[in-house]
Amino acid sequence: QKEVEQDPGPLSVPEGAIVSLNCTYSNSAFQYFMWYRQYSRKGPELLMYTYSSGNKEDGRFTAQVDKSSKYISLFIRDSQPSDSATYLCAINPEGGGNKLTFGTGTQLKVEL
Amino acid sequence: DAGITQSPRHKVTETGTPVTLRCHQTENHRYMYWYRQDPGHGLRLIHYSYGVKDTDKGEVSDGYSVSRSKTEDFLLTLESATSSQTSVYFCAIGDTQYFGPGTRLTVL
Repeated sequence: QKEVEQDPGPLSVPEGAIVSLNCTYSNSAFQYFMWYRQYSRKGPELLMYTYSSGNKEDGRFTAQVDKSSKYISLFIRDSQPSDSATYLCAINPEGGGNKLTFGTGTQLKVEL
Repeated sequence: DAGITQSPRHKVTETGTPVTLRCHQTENHRYMYWYRQDPGHGLRLIHYSYGVKDTDKGEVSDGYSVSRSKTEDFLLTLESATSSQTSVYFCAIGDTQYFGPGTRLTVL
């Protein structure tokens, strides 16, 4: 079993839809949770970073962490064609230095 | 941008040849990382550095070596490239890891 599981998609939604992207993880030692966005042929860019259970909001993006279920989510409201990208979750164990474990990414396409 | 560049951006080489990829940062970050990204595997850590001359292995370090003689530069070397090392290589810097633009390496 991989330490971090992420549905690869592709996920296709109409413009304006609410998108839910999800990851599950197996190691309860994971304490820090991140979401990256990667456009085609570009490097990943950090979108959200949280270390606690609950929700964290930034504009149209909300990151949600449920440590009891080992489940993290990224919600995108009012999705736009410019949100079309691959979204990667990344998790870091407390005391693990800065070594991240990444999910394989979910490819999202927002259509007009 | 986080002030991170990678060179070369594209390279085609032959099996058995040595290859060195360079990551350069202008942010004075202590931490630097090398990843490879492959379909179905996502990003996997090759090596990382937590300071000048301080490096450690990641998940997929076999066949790779690194060096960091200056804060701003982190070099990844494939001593004898193999076709299984065909990949996109990303450098990242900092605690929350800002990524460079990547290097596409093809080993024929």
